[in-house]
Amino acid sequence: GAGVSQSPSNKVTEKGKDVELRCDPISGHTALYWYRQSLGQGLEFLIYFQGNSAPDKSGLPSDRFSAERTGGSVSTLTIQRTQQEDSAVYLCASSRRQFNTDTQYFGPGTRLTVL
Amino acid sequence: SQQGEEDPQALSIQEGENATMNCSYKTSINNLQWYRQNSGRGLVHLILIRSNEREKHSGRLRVTLDTSKKSSSLLITASRAADTASYFCATDAKAAGNKLTFGGGTRVLVKP
Repeated sequence: GAGVSQSPSNKVTEKGKDVELRCDPISGHTALYWYRQSLGQGLEFLIYFQGNSAPDKSGLPSDRFSAERTGGSVSTLTIQRTQQEDSAVYLCASSRRQFNTDTQYFGPGTRLTVL
Repeated sequence: SQQGEEDPQALSIQEGENATMNCSYKTSINNLQWYRQNSGRGLVHLILIRSNEREKHSGRLRVTLDTSKKSSSLLITASRAADTASYFCATDAKAAGNKLTFGGGTRVLVKP
């Protein structure tokens, strides 16, 4: 079946605006993860979902960041009042189960640029 | 600071040569995984090694794990231009809950 998809692939916004990033995981995958990657850096964990619930939100940088998942499938990451330091590639991944022995399959990412 | 840190940060080799990169981590782990990333976009899972394993092979990839030194290495043998990418280790640390912690990556350039 199809892999993980993310939209948009690129987003340019002005400082102070809100943005929504979307992730469609692989069908049947119960776990979904959001990461952020700044230029030339490693991945920073943001949040993960098991089904529709988010047991671990510890990586969200501030209260301007929120995420939800509905129907155990699509997830949206919302950044309110964007700042220039939010500019990064936002990557989504899904796995069959929440256990970390399962391979995480990554989407192509959304490149966010805040002017 | 990050749980996993790769060394070197960048590596440039000729096609056909072997590429070795290392990952060090700080706390006890359940397993360690290696991922590849092309062009700064999605990551591809390469190999997983559990804490009770010492070595694992997959095609031209060889991964070792030394839990006493809290380090792992990834060896790519007979490298090809298509191996040019960034390589990341990710640890599933006992103290970190159900999430992977990624290192900063090693950028590998294989010159034809």
